[in-house]
Amino acid sequence: QQQVRQSPQSLTVWEGETAILNCSYEDSTFNYFPWYQQFPGEGPALLISISSVSDKKEDGRFTIFFNKREKKLSLHITDSQPGDSATYFCAARFYGGSGNKLIFGTGTLLSVKP
Amino acid sequence: NSKVIQTPRYLVKGQGQKAKMRCIPEKGHPVVFWYQQNKNNEFKFLINFQNQEVLQQIDMTEKRFSAECPSNSPCSLEIQSSEAGDSALYLCASSFRQNSDYTFGSGTRLLVI
Repeated sequence: QQQVRQSPQSLTVWEGETAILNCSYEDSTFNYFPWYQQFPGEGPALLISISSVSDKKEDGRFTIFFNKREKKLSLHITDSQPGDSATYFCAARFYGGSGNKLIFGTGTLLSVKP
Repeated sequence: NSKVIQTPRYLVKGQGQKAKMRCIPEKGHPVVFWYQQNKNNEFKFLINFQNQEVLQQIDMTEKRFSAECPSNSPCSLEIQSSEAGDSALYLCASSFRQNSDYTFGSGTRLLVI
């Protein structure tokens, strides 16, 4: 079954703390995992992505850790800022398949308090 | 400042009415996707195109939705007979290739009353 699960549903951290958002999946054929950031009233925007050949991907304050054996990922946001307050979606697909359809989790709503 | 332009931003329709929304993909992106995002943040893939050709679509899209991406015109998604359960944010996205990352528009929020 193609499912992507995210936890927690919502998360509140203080400015400067590290926020950790979790994601897991079931389909072992998934090999590409983008994370999207969505602000109210806007569409999702690609934040950072990782393929299954890597176990870590870093881009500034955002880092994905990937555990292929356990089918789990996590997004770490270090030095969280109030401007990071948004909903974060983990997505997955089989990279190289036709159609390029993404399977999305239901998101983590992050609130960063100043 | 999305490069994928969706219109209208908001759409209110009565049950049974047609609802039509449009999307201009990012320049140079021949692959277009439509997703439905409901109030529970569940994303449902509806249909995708490469140029004017349908690549994939779900059953619901085949039966009650119609979509097209004509050359030199905006892509469109139309619900033939709106139902209350169709109330959602409809997102259009485009990409350079089938396996490229894609860019989403800001969406059309449909309310069926």
